[in-house]
Amino acid sequence: AQKITQTQPGMFVQEKEAVTLDCTYDTSDQSYGLFWYKQPSSGEMIFLIYQGSYDEQNATEGRYSLNFQKARKSANLVISASQLGDSAMYFCAMREETSGNTPLVFGKGTRLSVIA
Amino acid sequence: DTEVTQTPKHLVMGMTNKKSLKCEQHMGHRAMYWYKQKAKKPPELMFVYSYEKLSINESVPSRFSPECPNSSLLNLHLHALQPEDSALYLCASSGVLAGTYNEQFFGPGTRLTVL
Repeated sequence: AQKITQTQPGMFVQEKEAVTLDCTYDTSDQSYGLFWYKQPSSGEMIFLIYQGSYDEQNATEGRYSLNFQKARKSANLVISASQLGDSAMYFCAMREETSGNTPLVFGKGTRLSVIA
Repeated sequence: DTEVTQTPKHLVMGMTNKKSLKCEQHMGHRAMYWYKQKAKKPPELMFVYSYEKLSINESVPSRFSPECPNSSLLNLHLHALQPEDSALYLCASSGVLAGTYNEQFFGPGTRLTVL
C-alpha cells in the first residue's frame, strides 16, 4: 500500500523568501509518480509539479522545484521567492504507474501562510 | 482545452432530496474520478471510471450513485444523504496509458451542504 506523510501542518514564510514543504512516501512499487497540488481557499486543486520515480533530475516548474531523494523516499517542494498568492494548502500525492488509471494517494497537507 | 468543469458550484439539499452533480472534460481522457473532501482534510477517493466502466468503488454508501454516460461526462447521483455527507466533491480526469506520466486534472468542485 502507498502512503504519503506530510509532517508540517502549517508553515509561515516571509514574502520573497524561499520555503521547503516536506513530503515522505512509502511504496513497494518500482514505477510511481509524485505530485504536488496547491489548493487555495476557493477549493480547486491546482497541479504544480510532477516527478517520476525513474527521473534522475529534479523537476522544476518556474518558482517550484521538487527535491527528490529516492533512497530517503522524500519529495520535498521548494517554492522560491514566495508571494502572497502562494498562501494556500499544499498536498503531496503519489500514484503507481504500472497501470494507467490508478488514483492519487494524498498526504494530509501543509497550510502555507506568506507574510508581507 | 485543459479544463474540467463541474456543476453546480454550490448545492444545498435536504435529506429526502434527489440531486445530481455533473462533471465534464473534453481532453480525451478515458479515466475519470470522484473524490470527497471534508474541511481541512485531503481528498478521499470515491470512484474511478475507466473507459466508461466503473473500475474502483471505495466502499461508498449506495446513497451515492455514479454514472458515466460517455467518455466526456461523469455524474454523481445523490439520494437520501446525511448531514455528514456535506463536503467538497471534486471530479478529476486523466489519461490511461500505463507507465507514463498521467496528470490528474481537477475540476473546481461542488460544495455540498446537506440539511
